[in-house]
Amino acid sequence: GENVEQHPSTLSVQEGDSAVIKCTYSDSASNYFPWYKQELGKGPQLIIDIRSNVGEKKDQRIAVTLNKTAKHFSLHITETQPEDSAVYFCAAGGMYSGGGADGLTFGKGTHLIIQP
Amino acid sequence: DTEVTQTPKHLVMGMTNKKSLKCEQHMGHRAMYWYKQKAKKPPELMFVYSYEKLSINESVPSRFSPECPNSSLLNLHLHALQPEDSALYLCASSVRDRADEQYFGPGTRLTVT
Repeated sequence: GENVEQHPSTLSVQEGDSAVIKCTYSDSASNYFPWYKQELGKGPQLIIDIRSNVGEKKDQRIAVTLNKTAKHFSLHITETQPEDSAVYFCAAGGMYSGGGADGLTFGKGTHLIIQP
Repeated sequence: DTEVTQTPKHLVMGMTNKKSLKCEQHMGHRAMYWYKQKAKKPPELMFVYSYEKLSINESVPSRFSPECPNSSLLNLHLHALQPEDSALYLCASSVRDRADEQYFGPGTRLTVT
């Protein structure tokens, strides 16, 4: 099955600085890579995703890059703000061999702390 | 609107009780999922329903029994649980033809005593 490694487990940055979280995956069949933000007491919130036919995607202060050859993808947050403090999970997924919906395999998560 | 609702928000049950968790979405999504999340851990996939049929069961013990009565509703029936089953149970849904873009509900915090 798929295995997703995520680093670092904790990241502390000054407000206004950039934050980068990195993930690697093992299954070359995976073709979908979402990032989720989870605040305390809440469910994961999809913040950005990328598919394997794209190398980079940007949405305002958030960007994701994918290197399919190396099997790694990264989340970049610029101009960090206190409300960015949360746990961030990367994940990998793909279509089930039978053509139906598939579940996601998550990384262990990164606790992002924005220092004021 | 990308809302998935889950009830109850919190549930405390004894090991001999029978209870059910409920999940609902009105986005027209045709795939629905149950995940289990322990404290400080990532969500772990339990079940996948696609077009109201169970398509994936990740070797979940039979004390967890999923049900999909219609395309908007997903239940998880619980019976004879163990204390180690205490966790946050998350429901998610996705559009069938973009199966991987999953939207999560807020979860049910389950405590087994």
